[in-house]
Amino acid sequence: DSGVTQTPKHLITATGQRVTLRCSPRSGDLSVYWYQQSLDQGLQFLIQYYNGEERAKGNILERFSAQQFPDLHSELNLSSLELGDSALYFCASSGGATETQYFGPGTRLLVL
Amino acid sequence: AQSVTQLGSHVSVSEGALVLLRCNYSSSVPPYLFWYVQYPNQGLQLLLKYTTGATLVKGINGFEAEFKKSETSFHLTKPSAHMSDAAEYFCAVSGTSGTYKYIFGTGTRLKVLA
Repeated sequence: DSGVTQTPKHLITATGQRVTLRCSPRSGDLSVYWYQQSLDQGLQFLIQYYNGEERAKGNILERFSAQQFPDLHSELNLSSLELGDSALYFCASSGGATETQYFGPGTRLLVL
Repeated sequence: AQSVTQLGSHVSVSEGALVLLRCNYSSSVPPYLFWYVQYPNQGLQLLLKYTTGATLVKGINGFEAEFKKSETSFHLTKPSAHMSDAAEYFCAVSGTSGTYKYIFGTGTRLKVLA
């Protein structure tokens, strides 16, 4: 158990819909990272938040957004969903001065 | 820019044989390097990491890796494969300041034959 929790575990929705994925980092970790894992793209970095502020952005679509709240949990919002958004979405967290990321179990999104 | 190349998307070894999973990186700054393992329907678990210091790093489950700057490599090895080692293995590189976002390789699926 990494200490990082993600909800929900599975999500099935339809094209055009909007969903919210939630992540709670390990206790004390200030950084939250989001990654997408798909068969064709592999593991891709989406976005990082550090103590509530956006720190880095990767291959994140404009239809996707994220935020980190004062209690340090983070949400990834995916809108206008397309079939190609079906993937496993991971959240990871790390401490302020360390480089090691601890991954949650992931949310498997299926867009029909 | 940073990148990671994992040679061999699938590797098969016999139980008890040496495991060697290859990872080469490209980085304009001294990198941090990581190996993670992913079992089916699970998240990624850290096996080992190189940040600074000793270039031979030991991880969990008997795995180790050696950072070779001259070869820009960070290959993962285990002297004797066990059936429970069957999983997908990912090499990742991150910067050493600012954001520590990971750039992952494409993964190597390890199969262990009885």
